[in-house]
Amino acid sequence: GENVEQHPSTLSVQEGDSAVIKCTYSDSASNYFPWYKQELGKRPQLIIDIRSNVGEKKDQRIAVTLNKTAKHFSLHITETQPEDSAVYFCAASPAGGYQKVTFGTGTKLQVIP
Amino acid sequence: NAGVTQTPKFRVLKTGQSMTLLCAQDMNHEYMYWYRQDPGMGLRLIHYSVGEGTTAKGEVPDGYNVSRLKKQNFLLGLESAAPSQTSVYFCASSYSTRVSYNEQFFGPGTRLTVL
Repeated sequence: GENVEQHPSTLSVQEGDSAVIKCTYSDSASNYFPWYKQELGKRPQLIIDIRSNVGEKKDQRIAVTLNKTAKHFSLHITETQPEDSAVYFCAASPAGGYQKVTFGTGTKLQVIP
Repeated sequence: NAGVTQTPKFRVLKTGQSMTLLCAQDMNHEYMYWYRQDPGMGLRLIHYSVGEGTTAKGEVPDGYNVSRLKKQNFLLGLESAAPSQTSVYFCASSYSTRVSYNEQFFGPGTRLTVL
């Protein structure tokens, strides 16, 4: 089955700096890679996703990159703000049939004002 | 739309007791899931359902049972609770696979403590 590894487990940055979270996956059949944000005591919510037919996707201060050859993908947050503080989960899913999503173990991001 | 809801929000059980967690969604989603979330371990899939009347095991199914009698509801049961089942439980739902993505919509979670 799929195995998703996520690093680092914790990350502290100064407000205004950039943050990068990296994930690797094992199953070459995976072609959908979502990122979820979970604020303290809240539910996980999708913030951005990328499909295997593109290498990069941006949404304001958030971007994801995907390298299918190396089987890794990354989340980039620029100009971080205190409200970016949360736990971020990467995930991988194959297309077709039942799309089981495998999650990484999470990265706790702290943005220091 | 309420989205995905879960009841109860909190529960404390004694070892050996049983309980059922209820998940409901009003988005007409085909797929529903139960996850548990433990510190440092991310979200681990317990059981899932691809449609009314069908269920399947996920990554950590032991000690849990599920039922999907109605499309909008997905129940998670603990027949004999153990301290190792202390966790936060999340239900999620998603669209069918006719589209190539699989965004999951999560419920607010149930915090369960087993003493």
